[in-house]
Amino acid sequence: EAQVTQNPRYLITVTGKKLTVTCSQNMNHEYMSWYRQDPGLGLRQIYYSMNVEVTDKGDVPEGYKVSRKEKRNFPLILESPSPNQTSLYFCASSTQGTGGSGANVLTFGAGSRLTVL
Amino acid sequence: QKEVEQNSGPLSVPEGAIASLNCTYSDRGSQSFFWYRQYSGKSPELIMFIYSNGDKEDGRFTAQLNKASQYVSLLIRDSQPSDSATYLCAVDVWDNNDMRFGAGTRLTVKP
Repeated sequence: EAQVTQNPRYLITVTGKKLTVTCSQNMNHEYMSWYRQDPGLGLRQIYYSMNVEVTDKGDVPEGYKVSRKEKRNFPLILESPSPNQTSLYFCASSTQGTGGSGANVLTFGAGSRLTVL
Repeated sequence: QKEVEQNSGPLSVPEGAIASLNCTYSDRGSQSFFWYRQYSGKSPELIMFIYSNGDKEDGRFTAQLNKASQYVSLLIRDSQPSDSATYLCAVDVWDNNDMRFGAGTRLTVKP
């Protein structure tokens, strides 16, 4: 089954304790992205990756790191989590679409709900 | 001004009615437009996308795009209680995966 898998799905942690949220896709997609979703703010992009070893900042990258060493994996790292990073996180992937093809349809993971105390 | 704006709702319609969801965007370079549905506690799932002016129909759903007015809408005909969800409008600004999302409109379909 084609899917994006995120882990953990739920996590409660404390301020300053490093954590990693893993994301893996089995569709051979070039593009992967992390979003956070907060009430009233919609989905905001944290980081994205166009391909292996190519990553770039989204709208809200502060406090996060990512890496793309393999095509299928795109982990999100919170080096020193703070309470304002309490949120629902989604990983997504797509093919590289151009020219109005609509091929860049995002497939989302199930989400990871993170609480930082 | 937000890049992608939606009325947050909630929008309530009776079962069988037409639900109309609206979205405006600010960047005239926007190329592709998407509607995602998100049930409470779940991840967004694609309903449909559109990139040419006019209407695009898929079953009970019709997307309408007007690039001159920077406006995209989603019509849901014969609304069902199972359509109750938050609908996210997304715009791929330069058609290069620079996806911008609206905050979503919460729709409730009452039996």
